[in-house]
Amino acid sequence: DTEVTQTPKHLVMGMTNKKSLKCEQHMGHRAMYWYKQKAKKPPELMFVYSYEKLSINESVPSRFSPECPNSSLLNLHLHALQPEDSALYLCASSQDSGEGMDTGELFFGEGSRLTVL
Amino acid sequence: GENVEQHPSTLSVQEGDSAVIKCTYSDSASNYFPWYKQELGKGPQLIIDIRSNVGEKKDQRIAVTLNKTAKHFSLHITETQPEDSAVYFCAAESNDYKLSFGAGTTVTVRA
Repeated sequence: DTEVTQTPKHLVMGMTNKKSLKCEQHMGHRAMYWYKQKAKKPPELMFVYSYEKLSINESVPSRFSPECPNSSLLNLHLHALQPEDSALYLCASSQDSGEGMDTGELFFGEGSRLTVL
Repeated sequence: GENVEQHPSTLSVQEGDSAVIKCTYSDSASNYFPWYKQELGKGPQLIIDIRSNVGEKKDQRIAVTLNKTAKHFSLHITETQPEDSAVYFCAAESNDYKLSFGAGTTVTVRA
């Protein structure tokens, strides 16, 4: 199984709502990532979890709150978002996140397309 | 931090012709250079990567070259097919283990 599964595929929310994006992988990977991708732009790194601990936070606003309940699951909790947060949110995983060697291949999910009204 | 520039932003080729995408990077400490292909409605997928200890790598119709001195690397696709139409991103990873992506190249293969 070389899949990263993201749910939901589409999400529409108001600025006062609280919602969550979910990501799951069963490849035994120890690093998991959240990326944000705007239309016709490259993915932008938001967070990295390594061995279930947050290792990188790219100065993301606190209205985005990541959570890694276990090595297979990654959540992104959303609260009080702005319309400019509308984007495709990509989850990815890799065997590990570096620590002396490069990260190697990132396996991306198909993304959750978020629209904030 | 690392800065990756990618050219061209769009590329249209006739089926069967070759496509070349070029990237430059700024951080001489970068040592891992993957290429990702993103089809419409999907997440990016690794198609080939190269590490700084080699100058060229080939996988069937796809090849990547790396010039560490000049800090540039290129993707070559030969005998293009309609299914090669997609957005291609180059990336570079420095010793902070973060990938920096280029802006992307939209490749269209005309039948």
